[in-house]
Amino acid sequence: AQSVTQPDIHITVSEGASLELRCNYSYGATPYLFWYVQSPGQGLQLLLKYFSGDTLVQGIKGFEAEFKRSQSSFNLRKPSVHWSDAAEYFCAVGEASGNTPLVFGKGTRLSVIA
Amino acid sequence: DAMVIQNPRYQVTQFGKPVTLSCSQTLNHNVMYWYQQKSSQAPKLLFHYYDKDFNNEADTPDNFQSRRPNTSFCFLDIRSPGLGDAAMYLCATSRDGRNMGGYTFGSGTRLTVV
Repeated sequence: AQSVTQPDIHITVSEGASLELRCNYSYGATPYLFWYVQSPGQGLQLLLKYFSGDTLVQGIKGFEAEFKRSQSSFNLRKPSVHWSDAAEYFCAVGEASGNTPLVFGKGTRLSVIA
Repeated sequence: DAMVIQNPRYQVTQFGKPVTLSCSQTLNHNVMYWYQQKSSQAPKLLFHYYDKDFNNEADTPDNFQSRRPNTSFCFLDIRSPGLGDAAMYLCATSRDGRNMGGYTFGSGTRLTVV
């Protein structure tokens, strides 16, 4: 069965600092991987996704993520965080074939301080 | 813009009084999902429709039901809400359930049980 682990429950960074949110997955084959962002009281918005090919994927709002098969990781990064990036971030994994629903991690809450 | 719309954004219901949450989509996606999200937790899949085929998660309580009268609409019925059912309910869609496109989420309905 697929599973996703986001080891950090809450991270605080200073505005302008770099950011890395960790995501580890468990899946027997090549997965589809996603990062979503959720602002307070809102639904989830897709930031980026990985299927195959280039292991470094670019997303919206200046985010990127790198797929590392050897580490079963798909960490999200941003070189310079803005106050508006404060939100909850969810990593998700899905089967590359078939239609089993996505499995979400428990999320990492990002706080940004001045 | 094509989107997923959930109504209402906030719903207050009495303990034990049936309540219905609605979701509509203009994306013409085949698959619709209902997630329950409690504070600081990952979204938990309740059930999903692949076209008219209903797929219930094994641990979804019988208290939760769903209807999909047509492609555009999907409803979540809670027959006898308990205090533990207070949560954010998220509707999501997927074009074909094969995960490649990820999901499109609505803004959610925050349910309060009094």
